[in-house]
Amino acid sequence: EVLLVESGGALVQPGGSLKLSCVASGLNFNTSAMHWVRQAPGKGLEWVGRIRSRPNNYATAHGPSVKGRFTISRDDSKSTVYLQMNSLKIEDSAFYYCTGSLMAYWGRGTLVTVYS
Amino acid sequence: AIQVTQSPSSLSASIGDRVTITCRTSQDFTSDLAWFQQQPGQAPKLLIYETSNRQGGVPSRFSGSRSGTDFTLTISSLQPVDFATYYCLQDHNYPPTFGQGTKLEIK
Repeated sequence: EVLLVESGGALVQPGGSLKLSCVASGLNFNTSAMHWVRQAPGKGLEWVGRIRSRPNNYATAHGPSVKGRFTISRDDSKSTVYLQMNSLKIEDSAFYYCTGSLMAYWGRGTLVTVYS
Repeated sequence: AIQVTQSPSSLSASIGDRVTITCRTSQDFTSDLAWFQQQPGQAPKLLIYETSNRQGGVPSRFSGSRSGTDFTLTISSLQPVDFATYYCLQDHNYPPTFGQGTKLEIK
């Protein structure tokens, strides 16, 4: 069984930083591109970014609304993907999901709330 | 960036109905479009990938197709578990973009 478990969500003030983690099991993690997708409560889905696998040079891409503030990384030895979020804004408040294997597998999400 | 316009935003239907949801893209491409189902309080679930390929375990009543820049998800005979919100996603070009969602409700 494939499991993706996100953690690290919290309450944070605007301008603050937070690092989310997603641990994968049951997945061929080392060869999987991993994505982060977010969803503000009651709203639609927004792609945040992705990191490719080692054979693809761990190439990253980030969505326009987070580019320059958020950074995706991974540690294959821990089957973990990270999302470093800096300069947080109120509009970054959302559930953050990690997803892999061409988005066939999703975690349950972790909630980030940015409040002033 | 490719714009994705999903319609309708909401839809009321009855058990056994055939329903279609459409995503219109601002650029023409043949695949690289997926469909997801999201139940309240849950993560999205992949239904269809590369326009028309059903993900493993997805019932055959779900199908995907394309006509030009219009991509369609069809549910041939609605079942109670199908009442949910549906999203399309294009990943043909950066950045991948989701449709706005279609909330399917019981009539």
